[in-house]
Amino acid sequence: GDSVTQMEGPVTLSEEAFLTINCTYTATGYPSLFWYVQYPGEGLQLLLKATKADDKGSNKGFEATYRKETTSFHLEKGSVQVSDSAVYFCALTSGAGSYQLTFGKGTKLSVIP
Amino acid sequence: NAGVTQTPKFQVLKTGQSMTLQCAQDMNHNSMYWYRQDPGMGLRLIYYSASEGTTDKGEVPNGYNVSRLNKREFSLRLESAAPSQTSVYFCASRLTSLHFGNGTRLTVT
Repeated sequence: GDSVTQMEGPVTLSEEAFLTINCTYTATGYPSLFWYVQYPGEGLQLLLKATKADDKGSNKGFEATYRKETTSFHLEKGSVQVSDSAVYFCALTSGAGSYQLTFGKGTKLSVIP
Repeated sequence: NAGVTQTPKFQVLKTGQSMTLQCAQDMNHNSMYWYRQDPGMGLRLIYYSASEGTTDKGEVPNGYNVSRLNKREFSLRLESAAPSQTSVYFCASRLTSLHFGNGTRLTVT
């Protein structure tokens, strides 16, 4: 079945540091890939997505590129801020018509001033 | 624009009690979902409804029932709560990506 593996946290960075959160996946067909972010006390929000190989999703300074050859969708940001402190989830859905999303276990990011 | 609204936000139950978690969306989405979130486990799908009138089991359906009351509303029922059901429950709806409510924090003692 489908699965998503994320780097385990927590990750603690200083403000303005470079961020990478690794995500790899196993899926049938041609999945769409997502990053969601969860701020304390809230539900998850879509951060970015990519629907086919070599697509790059981007939003709020975050980027991730769909790499079919390495089955990866790593999240990056060049300069993190304290306000980026949250839990980040990688997820996939296996192609058109699939109703189920599979989530990774989440990576908690703390950014300190 | 409220998005996905869940009630209640917090609930404490005793073992064996029953309750229904309510969820409504105002985005005219066909698909709706119930997830539970536990520390170190990520999100696990309990039930989903691909469209009005249909429901299907997800990864962890045991101990739960659902009702897709109409296109807007999708409720989750615990008939006889157990301590293992202590969790944070999220409802979501979907067009191309999921839109989540803010969750219900349930404690079963």
